[in-house]
Amino acid sequence: ETGVTQSPTHLIKTRGQQVTLRCSSQSGHNTVSWYQQALGQGPQFIFQYYREDENGRGNFPPRFSGLQFPNYSSELNVNALELDDSALYLCASSLPLGGRVGTGELFFGEGSRLTVL
Amino acid sequence: RKEVEQDPGPFNVPEGATVAFNCTYSNSASQSFFWYRQDCRKEPKLLMSVYSSGNEDGRFTAQLNRASQYISLLFRDSKLSDSATYLCVVRDRGSTLGRLYFGRGTQLTVWP
Repeated sequence: ETGVTQSPTHLIKTRGQQVTLRCSSQSGHNTVSWYQQALGQGPQFIFQYYREDENGRGNFPPRFSGLQFPNYSSELNVNALELDDSALYLCASSLPLGGRVGTGELFFGEGSRLTVL
Repeated sequence: RKEVEQDPGPFNVPEGATVAFNCTYSNSASQSFFWYRQDCRKEPKLLMSVYSSGNEDGRFTAQLNRASQYISLLFRDSKLSDSATYLCVVRDRGSTLGRLYFGRGTQLTVWP
């Protein structure tokens, strides 16, 4: 158990719809990152939030957006869903900057598996 | 070109075997290196960090060659429970803490 929880665990949407995925980070972690993992691939970085601000973004279009709340929980929103958005979406939290930075460990939730039909 | 390249396998080995995985990374400014393990339909979990001088953790040995931009993971005395996908992971210098580059993973099956 990493202490990172994600919801929903599975969902099915159709092309063009919108989806919101949620993540509660491990206690004391103020940095949350989101990753997309397509079948047979490694996770790909979407973006990171630190104290409610986006402070890093991968190569994903603007229809992928996010939020972080004062309690450090986070949401990932995807608009205008496409078939290629079908993937496992992983949320990861990490210790505050200046903490155990040297380990570089991310703590992942179990993910939300999205299927777009 | 992908940031991190790995042989996807699959590797099928008997219990007790010694297994070696390799990966290469493209950015010479990469600073931190890790191996993560991912069980089927589960989340990735840190197996071990990789240090410049090489490091061991029980049955596992990790090596880093910065000149060749090459990372390896070796583990001895394979067990059935080692069956999983092993992800080679890199963080670039100056990159935000949460931004990691993952290889596609190498799938390992250990059979009795």
